[in-house]
Amino acid sequence: RKEVEQDPGPFNVPEGATVAFNCTYSNSASQSFFWYRQDCRKEPKLLMSVYSSGNEDGRFTAQLNRASQYISLLIRDSKLSDSATYLCVVSGGSNYKLTFGKGTLLTVNP
Amino acid sequence: SQTIHQWPATLVQPVGSPLSLECTVEGTSNPNLYWYRQAAGRGLQLLFYSVGIGQISSEVPQNLSASRPQDRQFILSSKKLLLSDSGFYLCARNREVGNTGELFFGEGSRLTVL
Repeated sequence: RKEVEQDPGPFNVPEGATVAFNCTYSNSASQSFFWYRQDCRKEPKLLMSVYSSGNEDGRFTAQLNRASQYISLLIRDSKLSDSATYLCVVSGGSNYKLTFGKGTLLTVNP
Repeated sequence: SQTIHQWPATLVQPVGSPLSLECTVEGTSNPNLYWYRQAAGRGLQLLFYSVGIGQISSEVPQNLSASRPQDRQFILSSKKLLLSDSGFYLCARNREVGNTGELFFGEGSRLTVL
């Protein structure tokens, strides 16, 4: 099982759609979880952290299921500007090494 | 990326040539620093990380090396590049306040080996 595995994508959705990304991780000792966003040919940037209780930031909702080792990201009312690659990221251990999934490409169409 | 500076931004090098990529960070002292590589069609791969001056941990055996001569300087090097070294190299540091595991990336150095 890969350390961090994401939906392969790509996702093509119309503006206003709701889209969900899923991610699984293999290390049950993982401590921190994130979603990063990466625009084409740019560096990744933190989108949001993922907390055990679930958290929401505007149109974005992240959820964590430790028992199933599963993370999700929901984007509501998609905008053209949401087009990017979304990376599921997991860290564990005292030196906070992050392990990145390969990412899922989202294209929001007008 | 405002606090992380990487250069050069883009470079094209022949196989067998040497490489030096530099990264400097601003902000609080003694940051954790990282070098990641993103090859075409692949995820980000951790190459090296450093928790202090002169302290380097290597994650993947390869023909690359890293050094940290100063607290806020991290250098990635190679004596002889391979075609497989092509990729997008990203320097990163940990969050300044509160060790939550988040990373902040520089704008990257895009290397093409011909």
